[in-house]
Amino acid sequence: QVTLRESGPALVKPTQTLTLTCNVSGFSLSTGAASVSWIRQPPGKALEWLARIDWDDAKYYSTSLKTRLSISRDTSKNQVVLTMTKMDPLDTATFYCALELSTGRFDPWGQGTLVTVSS
Amino acid sequence: IVMTQSPDSLAVSLGERATINCKSSQSVLHRFNNKNYLAWYQQKPGQPPKLLIYWASTRESGVPDRFSGSGSGTDFTLTINSLQAEDVAIYHCQQYYSTPLYTFGQGTKLEIK
Repeated sequence: QVTLRESGPALVKPTQTLTLTCNVSGFSLSTGAASVSWIRQPPGKALEWLARIDWDDAKYYSTSLKTRLSISRDTSKNQVVLTMTKMDPLDTATFYCALELSTGRFDPWGQGTLVTVSS
Repeated sequence: IVMTQSPDSLAVSLGERATINCKSSQSVLHRFNNKNYLAWYQQKPGQPPKLLIYWASTRESGVPDRFSGSGSGTDFTLTINSLQAEDVAIYHCQQYYSTPLYTFGQGTKLEIK
């Protein structure tokens, strides 16, 4: 069974950099042909895709946020890390990581981690 | 590609049919394989989204057959027949035509009348 779990700070201050980690179990990022994406959801709002890293280390970013995002992976730890700079209160959201075994289909998702941006 | 769902919310009686619509700002039908790059997700309160349907009409393994997807090009529908109490959720459509610049609809909240 493949599971993903996000971890990171629950609270960050405006202008700070957010670092989130996605731990993947039941699937090897070093040997499996899959991608991991980060998706966020502000309270009561729509899902927004942020970034993706592929099995060959190719990286893709949301057009509107690409200057603030960085995605990387540590295959030895089976983890994917997302950093987001210059955090703003409008970035308050639940951040999810999700596995993409087949193009465009996110399954499964992690439980999500709520990040609040406030001074 | 902008995805727009309608309605934003709806209330349906148990055992009745629920219909949710999703419209894309451009076609998500790929001519080379004649597939619509459209997925539906169910998100129950306090849970992450769960994949229900992909290729616009293919049910994910384990999804009850009361859930069905239809449509092509720019207009799509998720239908839930014989609504059950456990179907209360927010439903999201998502296009993956412009891979990897995926976009989601704003979500439709389904409640019991």
